[in-house]
Amino acid sequence: KQEVTQIPAALSVPEGENLVLNCSFTDSAIYNLQWFRQDPGKGLTSLLLIQSSQREQTSGRLNASLDKSSGRSTLYIAASQPGDSATYLCAAGANSKLTFGKGITLSVRP
Amino acid sequence: GAVVSQHPSWVICKSGTSVKIECRSLDFQATTMFWYRQFPKQSLMLMATSNEGSKATYEQGVEKDKFLINHASLTLSTLTVTSAHPEDSSFYICSARGGLAGRINEQFFGPGTRLTVL
Repeated sequence: KQEVTQIPAALSVPEGENLVLNCSFTDSAIYNLQWFRQDPGKGLTSLLLIQSSQREQTSGRLNASLDKSSGRSTLYIAASQPGDSATYLCAAGANSKLTFGKGITLSVRP
Repeated sequence: GAVVSQHPSWVICKSGTSVKIECRSLDFQATTMFWYRQFPKQSLMLMATSNEGSKATYEQGVEKDKFLINHASLTLSTLTVTSAHPEDSSFYICSARGGLAGRINEQFFGPGTRLTVL
């Protein structure tokens, strides 16, 4: 059974800092890995999706990498802003299902 | 493209009543739809997977007679919470997956429905 772990559960950083959010998964037989953003009380916003054949994807200040063999993905946020404050969830796709981690709640202090 | 809507966005009901939540793919045909539940400060947990025209597949521990899922068309799936109780209060999110070019395995998520059972 796939298990997805995100540590730490919460993170607070000053504005402008570059930061890395980690995600690990137990079953490397995935077909994709996806990062989402969730604001309080809201649904999911898809940030980046990495296919299993890819190593990384970039969108603006965000860069996500995938290392299937080690069961790890990272989301890099450059020059963080207070507007980046949210919960970031990663999800591993396998066997026609997505398994989510519990998320990392990020707070960017002005 | 690939927009998924849910209705209602929030609902409050009395204990013992049934509530229906709709999930629609607005600009693509969804061969498969998924229903998730999210409790406060927890992650999304998959409840069931439904394919158009066939019965839903429920995850272990999810009562199929309590959470009725219908996927009658390629653009609509419904989740009915029957005889709702306060412990069913949660955030319900659907997603849809279709034959979009280059995005075969990607799920597109709805905005969620907040259910509160009094």
